[in-house]
Amino acid sequence: DGGITQSPKYLFRKEGQNVTLSCEQNLNHDAMYWYRQDPGQGLRLIYYSQIVNDFQKGDIAEGYSVSREKKESFPLTVTSAQKNPTAFYLCASSILAAAYNEQFFGPGTRLTVL
Amino acid sequence: GQQVMQIPQYQHVQEGEDFTTYCNSSTTLSNIQWYKQRPGGHPVFLIQLVKSGEVKKQKRLTFQFGEAKKNSSLHITATQTTDVGTYFCAGGLDQGGKLIFGQGTELSVKP
Repeated sequence: DGGITQSPKYLFRKEGQNVTLSCEQNLNHDAMYWYRQDPGQGLRLIYYSQIVNDFQKGDIAEGYSVSREKKESFPLTVTSAQKNPTAFYLCASSILAAAYNEQFFGPGTRLTVL
Repeated sequence: GQQVMQIPQYQHVQEGEDFTTYCNSSTTLSNIQWYKQRPGGHPVFLIQLVKSGEVKKQKRLTFQFGEAKKNSSLHITATQTTDVGTYFCAGGLDQGGKLIFGQGTELSVKP
């Protein structure tokens, strides 16, 4: 089955620790995205990648980092510099990085920083 | 920066009542997409509108794109409990290839 996987579903970390969220897709999509979802604020774009070895900052990139070494994988690192990291993180992909393309979302990772 | 405002934030209806959510953008959009997120789930694509004044229907759901391509609406006729979830609009901009998501409208349906 084609799709996007994110692991783990729930993640707990202590304040001050970096944590990396996994996102893998087997849809052969070029573009991948990371969003953060907070209650009442919709989806806010953290980073996106149009192609392997390339990525751009979204609206709320501070305190986050990404890499795109493989087409299938787009891991997100939440660093200790992120002031309020507790949130629901969604990874998505689309055929190309164009606004006309449907985005396919993974199941999400709920990160809680204690 | 560019924003897409969506209202209302919450809507509680009795089963069988109609429901509408509205999106407004400060800038002209190239297209608008609608997504549904069930409780505990992830957003799933519903539909895309591209043309000025476009109207599309999916069974009890009617989607509209404004003439100026700055606003959109989703109307559900005779809601059912299966309609429960959060509905997001997402506006596209010609430059950058990004979607800007509205805040979402959470719909609850009382049987």
